[in-house]
Amino acid sequence: GESVGLHLPTLSVQEGDNSIINCAYSNSASDYFIWYKQESGKGPQFIIDIRSNMDKRQGQRVTVLLNKTVKHLSLQIAATQPGDSAVYFCAEFSLSGGYNKLIFGAGTRLAVHP
Amino acid sequence: NAGVTQTPKFQVLKTGQSMTLQCAQDMNHNSMYWYRQDPGMGLRLIYYSASEGTTDKGEVPNGYNVSRLNKREFSLRLESAAPSQTSVYFCASSEPSGGNYGYTFGSGTRLTVV
Repeated sequence: GESVGLHLPTLSVQEGDNSIINCAYSNSASDYFIWYKQESGKGPQFIIDIRSNMDKRQGQRVTVLLNKTVKHLSLQIAATQPGDSAVYFCAEFSLSGGYNKLIFGAGTRLAVHP
Repeated sequence: NAGVTQTPKFQVLKTGQSMTLQCAQDMNHNSMYWYRQDPGMGLRLIYYSASEGTTDKGEVPNGYNVSRLNKREFSLRLESAAPSQTSVYFCASSEPSGGNYGYTFGSGTRLTVV
C-alpha cells in the first residue's frame, strides 16, 4: 500500500462538498507558488500556480488564494469528487543557495467520502 | 509523450550494496532534480542540475552522488546503501527560462534497504 501520507494531516469531506486545503509558506520573498496533487503510487502532478502579484487565480473546479501578509496559501476544490482523493502539496519558488528552487510543504491528505 | 521516465520502479537492496537510479526526460528541459519522499516529510531535494554539465547539492545530499550524463539524463547513485535511504525517489525536470517554473515529475522509484 501507499506509505506516503500516513502521517500527514487529513481533510475528510463528503462527495459534492467544497474542500479547502491550507498551506503556510516560509519565505516572504517567494514570488511564485504551485499546488501539486499526488495520487497513490504516482508522482506529484501540477494543479495550478499563482504569482505573487495576484491574490486569486481560478482553474477548472480549483481556486488558489494567496495572502502575502500572513504568508498563507489555500487551494479550494469545488464539488469535490472521489477522484480528488490524494495528497496535496503547496510549493514556493524560492531563491536558495544561489538558485531558484521549488520548496515543498509537508502535504495534506484529502479523503473524499461518498 | 513520455515526460519524465524513471527506472527501476521498485528495488530492494541489502545494506552496503550500490545501485544507480536512472532518469530521463524528453521535454528538452535544462534543469533536473532528484527528491526523496518519506512519510510525513514531503519532498526533500537531494541534488539538482540547473543545466547540462552542472550539479549541486540540495537539502539532503549525504550518501548520494549524481551524474548529468547529457541534457536528457540525470542519474542518482547510492554507493553504499543504508536502511535510512529506504524511501520513494522522484526525478523531476523544469525549464525556467520559459517563465514556467513548474516541475514535471516521474512516477518514482520505491527503494527498500534491508
